[in-house]
Amino acid sequence: EVQLVESGGGLVQPGGSLRLSCAASGFTFRTYSMNWVRQAPGKGPEWISYIGVRSATIHYGDSVKGRFTISRDNFKSSLYLQMNSLRVEDTAVYYCARDLHYFDSWGLGTLVTVSS
Amino acid sequence: EIIMTQSPATLSVSPGERATLSCRASQPVSSNLAWYQQKPGQAPRLLIYTASTRVTGVPARFSGSGSGTDFTLTINNLQFEDFAIYYCQHYNNWPLTFGQGTKVDFK
Repeated sequence: EVQLVESGGGLVQPGGSLRLSCAASGFTFRTYSMNWVRQAPGKGPEWISYIGVRSATIHYGDSVKGRFTISRDNFKSSLYLQMNSLRVEDTAVYYCARDLHYFDSWGLGTLVTVSS
Repeated sequence: EIIMTQSPATLSVSPGERATLSCRASQPVSSNLAWYQQKPGQAPRLLIYTASTRVTGVPARFSGSGSGTDFTLTINNLQFEDFAIYYCQHYNNWPLTFGQGTKVDFK
């Protein structure tokens, strides 16, 4: 069974940083591209970042470009999101999602709250 | 960026009835469209991809159609467990974008 478990969320002040992790199991992680998708309270999902299997291809949404960095460790079957210069509007549940161009498996999410 | 527009925002339906949800893309996306179901407190769940292919295990009462810019998700014989929010998402190019959702609620 595919499992994706996010961690690292919490309360942070504007301008601060957080690093999210996603631990994958139940599938061969190194053969799948991965994504981060977030969902602000009461809003629809927003794709924010993609990483290819060997980290050679990376994409970001405009809202996070230059502030967030996606990475992965295939040996640890883990996905990461380094979030810097956080803004109030970054407040959301952050999901990691397995990529088939669409998102066939999602984690439970981790809540990031940016507030002073 | 391709804008995905879903209508209606809310659809009130009685159990046993049919629900028809629409999704329109601001530019053609071929058949590169997926539908998701989301219930409160849960992550979205993939239902349909390539506009009309049901994920294994998704009931046959769910069907998708369309290509280009106009897409439809139809839920026949609506069951209680189908009351949820439904999102469409294109994956034709970057950035990937979602619609704002259609809430199917109890009439």
